[in-house]
Amino acid sequence: AAGVIQSPRHLIKEKRETATLKCYPIPRHDTVYWYQQGPGQDPQFLISFYEKMQSDKGSIPDRFSAQQFSDYHSELNMSSLELGDSALYFCASSLSAGTDTQYFGPGTRLTVL
Amino acid sequence: GDSVTQMEGPVTLSEEAFLTINCTYTATGYPSLFWYVQYPGEGLQLLLKATKADDKGSNKGFEATYRKETTSFHLEKGSVQVSDSAVYFCALRWSGGSNYKLTFGKGTLLTVNP
Repeated sequence: AAGVIQSPRHLIKEKRETATLKCYPIPRHDTVYWYQQGPGQDPQFLISFYEKMQSDKGSIPDRFSAQQFSDYHSELNMSSLELGDSALYFCASSLSAGTDTQYFGPGTRLTVL
Repeated sequence: GDSVTQMEGPVTLSEEAFLTINCTYTATGYPSLFWYVQYPGEGLQLLLKATKADDKGSNKGFEATYRKETTSFHLEKGSVQVSDSAVYFCALRWSGGSNYKLTFGKGTLLTVNP
């Protein structure tokens, strides 16, 4: 079965640089969620989109922005990167905003040097 | 706000031992409850879920029952294997309004020795 695809899988950036993470949901899934997992931490919700509109917002820094496109893929844009942004970034998708089960991608490991 | 509390790890067991990982929650209304598993270097995989009180989720020998009276969703397995070594996360999702995010516990690292 098709799964959530995230790219790139690994990314190394310098401080103050920008990064773009991409997420391709499971086919027919119209809802995308982004989570950030720091080292040894639980995943923290950042932002979600339903039918290309932002549906919920969590602890996402102002330096970050995201959007969902017409094909339902989503991109997380991160600017002025800081050392503390080093983390595993997960994307999850669900069949609709009201469906319980979120299926997670393998994550993008961002390292900021 | 909503929160999930898991027993702190790490938990180390011998193969074929009985596993319990405790999870309790605080939430308004009646959330859906989940267990996710994260193997080393990998993403989160849904292990099992329960959407209403007294529901039992089960998968791969793991079980958890949604207990509204004790606000708990403890994970159990009768006989663990080395391949079960991973981090286990309990999570909830509130079933009301437009808030669909998952709230996770801190995770419990399980190591199973042969």
